[in-house]
Amino acid sequence: EIVMTQSPATLSVSPGERATLSCRASQSVGGNLAWYQQKPGQAPRLLIYGASTRATGIPASFSGSGSGTEFTLTISSLKSEDFAVYYCQQYSDWPTLTFGGGTKVEIK
Amino acid sequence: QVELQQSGPGLVKPSQALSLTCAISGDSVSSDSAAWNWIRQSPSRGLEWLGRTYYRSQWYNDYAVSVKSRITINPDTSKNQFSLQLNSVTPEDTAVYYCSRGRWWFDHWGQGTLVTVSS
Repeated sequence: EIVMTQSPATLSVSPGERATLSCRASQSVGGNLAWYQQKPGQAPRLLIYGASTRATGIPASFSGSGSGTEFTLTISSLKSEDFAVYYCQQYSDWPTLTFGGGTKVEIK
Repeated sequence: QVELQQSGPGLVKPSQALSLTCAISGDSVSSDSAAWNWIRQSPSRGLEWLGRTYYRSQWYNDYAVSVKSRITINPDTSKNQFSLQLNSVTPEDTAVYYCSRGRWWFDHWGQGTLVTVSS
């Protein structure tokens, strides 16, 4: 099973600042990576798939990059609604699909 | 737009079966381009994909190794829904269970059902 490790566990950022979240795979997943946002009491929301393609309705302030084992989600200028937990998910090791442990983005 | 509506009990006794249903609107469980998944989330295990059902001229299922001996996911074409059955549950199966649509990533999710395993 491919293990996904996210860092940091918690990221404290001021509104308007840039946030950079990392996700590392225990073996190469190519570009087969998705990112999700989850707010308290809600289901995860798809942000990015294919490592860098924004899902429908996702603003350009969210961008994804990386390939192989190292991936990054960048939020260019944090708004109040962006404070949430973010998860990465690999889908290379089909059909075993695995998620990272999450990064909580909190207000500094 | 696609909506997934979950139903099922929130409390299950140990050793019994957990059963949940996910009703689909805006898409078809028989779609030949979609897959229908169950995912759970708990503090101890995080987000865990459990399995999926999908139709490609015939029905297929894929299950996570961790639950493969206990899980069944079935489509119900007459009601345009799919179900999860997880047998022989223990307190470790306590989690929020989600249904979702997606072949590799998940673009639509149900509202989630907290299932507690307790006597």
